[in-house]
Amino acid sequence: GAGVSQSPSNKVTEKGKDVELRCDPISGHTALYWYRQSLGQGLEFLIYFQGNSAPDKSGLPSDRFSAERTGGSVSTLTIQRTQQEDSAVYLCASSPDSEETQYFGPGTRLLVL
Amino acid sequence: GNSVTQMEGPVTLSEEAFLTINCTYTATGYPSLFWYVQYPGEGLQLLLKATKADDKGSNKGFEATYRKETTSFHLEKGSVQVSDSAVYFCALSDEVSGNTPLVFGKGTRLSVIA
Repeated sequence: GAGVSQSPSNKVTEKGKDVELRCDPISGHTALYWYRQSLGQGLEFLIYFQGNSAPDKSGLPSDRFSAERTGGSVSTLTIQRTQQEDSAVYLCASSPDSEETQYFGPGTRLLVL
Repeated sequence: GNSVTQMEGPVTLSEEAFLTINCTYTATGYPSLFWYVQYPGEGLQLLLKATKADDKGSNKGFEATYRKETTSFHLEKGSVQVSDSAVYFCALSDEVSGNTPLVFGKGTRLSVIA
């Protein structure tokens, strides 16, 4: 079946612009996660959704970062006023209810010039 | 808090060599442990997992045993192939609830040469 998909696959933007990254989880998966993978920082957790609510936003690095999930499915991660340090690969993962294994999408590579 | 430490790479091996990638963890509870692999140009894939002490996860010739006494989950393979070249991530999740964020190590890049 279809895996987790993310769009765009690559995004180049100018410093100060806003960007939106999209994640389509595996159908029926209730949990959705956003992570960031950057050189020197490894994989960092950003935010987690259970259904449409976000019980854990502890990883969001600043108030420029926000995310939402609608219909228990698609999620959008928004970065406002992008900075060069936001350049990274943003990964989305989903998992079924009460299962620990997470299934990852291919990521969105963001470059802020 | 929870954390994962894995050996830094890069690791370069000849084909058919024995592989060990060390991973140790710190956790307040009894976490589940995972190895994820990222092949060049691809997304993260689950390689294997173990959910309780003394469990052994295995897949594609790779193995790792959950050692509570040493808080370790070392990845091993008896004979590596060029196709095993990838970045390997050790990770844990809190066992308290089924859906919790993963805590990752920084990754170990493996290069296997023919």
